[in-house]
Amino acid sequence: DTGVSQNPRHKITKRGQNVTFRCDPISEHNRLYWYRQTLGQGPEFLTYFQNEAQLEKSRLLSDRFSAERPKGSFSTLEIQRTEQGDSAMYLCASSLEGQGSATQYFGPGTRLLVL
Amino acid sequence: SQKIEQNSEALNIQEGKTATLTCNYTNYSPAYLQWYRQDPGRGPVFLLLIRENEKEKRKERLKVTFDTTLKQSLFHITASQPADSATYLCALDSNYQLIWGAGTKLIIKP
Repeated sequence: DTGVSQNPRHKITKRGQNVTFRCDPISEHNRLYWYRQTLGQGPEFLTYFQNEAQLEKSRLLSDRFSAERPKGSFSTLEIQRTEQGDSAMYLCASSLEGQGSATQYFGPGTRLLVL
Repeated sequence: SQKIEQNSEALNIQEGKTATLTCNYTNYSPAYLQWYRQDPGRGPVFLLLIRENEKEKRKERLKVTFDTTLKQSLFHITASQPADSATYLCALDSNYQLIWGAGTKLIIKP
């Protein structure tokens, strides 16, 4: 399967704990995005990378959130000191910039529940 | 403020009929607009992209229109089937990212 993959698919944690999610994009894609989605809402932009550079981060994102994309391949999203309000689906998407299309290909998401 | 609106209420359509979903936006001038399908517990799946200079785009039973004067896109599914039941999201480009509507849940009844 050459699509976007995310791990884990589900994560349950206690408030105050740190969690880390991984995203493996489509191999030739140079852009990678992280979104958060809650029930009944569309995806909310968190951050994006072009190759290994993090080019933008949402103003809504607190400093408890950090993302990396070493070597421009897979990416990790870490949430420190989780809060119940962090409970959501975390989606990763990738795209190939410069192909005349900004179509984003999404992974299955990681569902986080903070107790 | 910038806003994208999709019908928040679920749309119930009889199998075989045409389903029409609406996406309205304000305070944007997008170069293109995209429609995605999302099934419960899964990520969105790309369906169609339409550019600002295109009025209509078709793909099999799907048709999208884009009226930049009305700031509206319509998404049509003809000969609808129960398997078309899902949430449909529209998204606009805004520089480096996509801005998303909340989606409309479509239910096709046999």
